[in-house]
Amino acid sequence: QVQLQESGPGPVKPSETLSLTCIVSGDSLSTSSWSWIRQSPGKGLEWIGYIYSSGNTRYNPSLNNRLTIALDTSRNQFSLTLRSLTAADTAVYYCARRHRRDKSGPYFFDSWGQGTLVTVSS
Amino acid sequence: DIQMTQSPSSLSASVGDRVTISCRASQSIANNLNWYQQKPLHAPRLLIYTASTLQTGVPSRFSGSGSETNFTLAITSLQPEDFATYYCQQSYITPITFGQGTRLDIK
Repeated sequence: QVQLQESGPGPVKPSETLSLTCIVSGDSLSTSSWSWIRQSPGKGLEWIGYIYSSGNTRYNPSLNNRLTIALDTSRNQFSLTLRSLTAADTAVYYCARRHRRDKSGPYFFDSWGQGTLVTVSS
Repeated sequence: DIQMTQSPSSLSASVGDRVTISCRASQSIANNLNWYQQKPLHAPRLLIYTASTLQTGVPSRFSGSGSETNFTLAITSLQPEDFATYYCQQSYITPITFGQGTRLDIK
């Protein structure tokens, strides 16, 4: 069974950089692609980006110039770095596995971490 | 970006009822449509992928249908644990986008 666990700093200040890590167990980073998704308080879900097992990335253009997602295959974890934070970045951040049933099928997010709340406030 | 619009935004129903939730895409997404259930303080849970395939472990009272731009999630014989918020999500093209959610409450 695949399990994901986010770890993060909790409160951060405006203009600072957010660093989050997602530890994966029960699967290898080489078999799927891996994503970050966030949810602002009381709001819906926003896709942030994902990284393929190759290390190639796809980012949401709304965050593209502030965002980096990276793999650490030696630790079986992946990370998110989001720069120049504002209050609008306050959200629960989820990591998730992006998977598909077969090589030609559409993708879905089938395993999620429990989420970590990041509050941006001075 | 592909806009995903769910209706209704909220819905009240009773245990045992049948309910349907609609999701419309702003352009054709073939069958690249997934449904999730989210309960308060929990991560979303995948219910249905590729519009109509039930995820392993999801009760058969959940079903999905549709293609191109119009999709439906149906829940028959509502159970107490089904009261939650439901989201559709397109995986056809990036940026990946979600519907705004449909909150299902107990009447």
